[in-house]
Amino acid sequence: DSGVTQTPKHLITATGQRVTLRCSPRSGDLSVYWYQQSLDQGLQFLIHYYNGEERAKGNILERFSAQQFPDLHSELNLSSLELGDSALYFCASSVGAGSSTDTQYFGPGTRLTVL
Amino acid sequence: ILNVEQSPQSLHVQEGDSTNFTCSFPSSNFYALHWYRWETAKSPEALFVMTLNGDEKKKGQISATLNTKEGYSYLYIKGSQPEDSATYLCAFLIYNQGGKLIFGQGTELSVKP
Repeated sequence: DSGVTQTPKHLITATGQRVTLRCSPRSGDLSVYWYQQSLDQGLQFLIHYYNGEERAKGNILERFSAQQFPDLHSELNLSSLELGDSALYFCASSVGAGSSTDTQYFGPGTRLTVL
Repeated sequence: ILNVEQSPQSLHVQEGDSTNFTCSFPSSNFYALHWYRWETAKSPEALFVMTLNGDEKKKGQISATLNTKEGYSYLYIKGSQPEDSATYLCAFLIYNQGGKLIFGQGTELSVKP
């Protein structure tokens, strides 16, 4: 158990809908990262927040947005869902702001299925 | 486009065999190289974070080396056990891009008793 928690564990929804994935980092960690694992694709970086501020952005779709709240938990919002958004979404956390020695600890993931 | 490549894609060995896999990454803008172990139905577990050319790290029977000048890292497992069966991922951290990790596709290791 890494200490990173994600809810829900599974989510099944329909195309066109909107969902919110939630992540709580390990105690003391200030950074939260979101990654997407689609079928036949490796882990793809989406976005990084450090202490409430966006630090880095990957190829995140405009239909997706995220934020990190003052209590450091983070939410990933996915809207106008398409079949291709079905994937495993991981959250990771680290102590620092993504420095060279920062280890990212992964949560258990949320499996999203869009029907 | 930055690419991280891992080889082989999969590996089947017998219990007790030693094995190694390769991770290739861009040698420019290097900041760090991460190794993860990912068991089915679990989340990726951090093994090593490597930053300096010539770095060697060890955790139990697993060790890793790093060559930043030529852009590769090796992961070694000495005396593989069935519980070592997992996908081993490497990820490249680019300098000055926050914590954006670029992951390889992984090497899937299966150790038969």
